Amino acid sequence: QSVLTQPPSASGTPGQRVTISCSGGSSNIGSHTVNWYQQLPGTAPKLLIYSSNQRPSGVPDRFSASKSGTSASLAISGLQSEDEADYYCAAWDDSLNGFCVFGTGTKVTVL
Amino acid sequence: QLQLQESGPGLVMPSETLSLTCSVSGASIYRGSFSWGWIRQPPGKGPEWIGTIYYSGKTYYNPSLKSRLILSGDTSKNQLSLKLTSVTAADTAVYYCARPTLMAADAFDVWGQGTMVIVSS
Repeated sequence: QSVLTQPPSASGTPGQRVTISCSGGSSNIGSHTVNWYQQLPGTAPKLLIYSSNQRPSGVPDRFSASKSGTSASLAISGLQSEDEADYYCAAWDDSLNGFCVFGTGTKVTVL
Repeated sequence: QLQLQESGPGLVMPSETLSLTCSVSGASIYRGSFSWGWIRQPPGKGPEWIGTIYYSGKTYYNPSLKSRLILSGDTSKNQLSLKLTSVTAADTAVYYCARPTLMAADAFDVWGQGTMVIVSS
């Protein structure tokens, strides 16, 4: 059902900057803010970014995000080994009376 | 400190009804501007939003589940509940309850640990 498309994988060496894209449409990212989640194996997703570019308390400022048009992106600067995880974007979609949709997910590997 | 704890049967027969509860501690489910969400995640796949119930009792459901889904709350027990009818193997997943941040109603910042539900005969 996902209408938010992410690359399946991304990688970088420690200290590098990694960027993950999230492509949607006019009914979701084009009309609403984007949230980003990090999921470590065997754990619940953790909110990293809300309202397209806001970090909840406790999230390192190495994580940043932006939105433009119908796409969004998450950047991880100064990549660390503990950043190896799955990352999902999410947004509200106005179609079919409205629903929340998650992205396809991106596995970040720290080389 | 807000804590959420899901509980359920673990194994459900195909075509039967899945019933889950989410026990909430540290906040009242029907006070303030809170809403509460359910999200599931099939093995090896990404999360899927199931629905959200607002403190007023208003609900929003995933269109793909709407015909089989009921979300409700029990103020006396401070619990949320999910009922999904006519389950199939496709409903096998880890089911989470979660609360959105007050700044964004669709951004879930507090999650339960999740409960695994397997649909199988």
